[in-house]
Amino acid sequence: SQQGEEDPQALSIQEGENATMNCSYKTSINNLQWYRQNSGRGLVHLILIRSNEREKHSGRLRVTLDTSKKSSSLLITASRAADTASYFCATDADDYKLSFGAGTTVTVRA
Amino acid sequence: DAGVTQSPTHLIKTRGQQVTLRCSPKSGHDTVSWYQQALGQGPQFIFQYYEEEERQRGNFPDRFSGHQFPNYSSELNVNALLLGDSALYLCASSLDLSHEQYFGPGTRLTVT
Repeated sequence: SQQGEEDPQALSIQEGENATMNCSYKTSINNLQWYRQNSGRGLVHLILIRSNEREKHSGRLRVTLDTSKKSSSLLITASRAADTASYFCATDADDYKLSFGAGTTVTVRA
Repeated sequence: DAGVTQSPTHLIKTRGQQVTLRCSPKSGHDTVSWYQQALGQGPQFIFQYYEEEERQRGNFPDRFSGHQFPNYSSELNVNALLLGDSALYLCASSLDLSHEQYFGPGTRLTVT
């Protein structure tokens, strides 16, 4: 079973626009991580936010975490064609195994 | 500095056969985790190895087994293959007590 659930399942935006996707989870966590996957290959780690953090930035990425609502969001600003990929949230309940959601597929149109 | 490597890239097997997948962790990492990703789904945790021992295990049958070698590389073995075992198998490495995992490119297994 999967802990996290991403919303929406798919997203199509114009280059230059912002993309926002959400993740909800069920149990207490130590941290939440976001990953990107291109064309069914390996996952690339984007950002890790700890349970005592509320917001984190990395380049064009902004992640928020609301532990009271058990939810997180990933914002990609000024999207580019290279941002076309699947994005996954993964929760770590302090047992060092990651529980992934089913992912959000993002398509950036030129 | 080499990242996580996996071999082979692709594999086709027949139902009932056995398969071994291999993973070399990122330099300096001592912990290896394996995940199964079915088409259109997120990765599912299979198990994790640390100090050559299985430390954590997900909800997978005993047909799935693994091994970690003294150089921290790891193998995933699957016996009596089923059609449902067709998936992308991902290996991830980390430094013990670190929560950040680095993933390899995966092995695509097709069972016919």
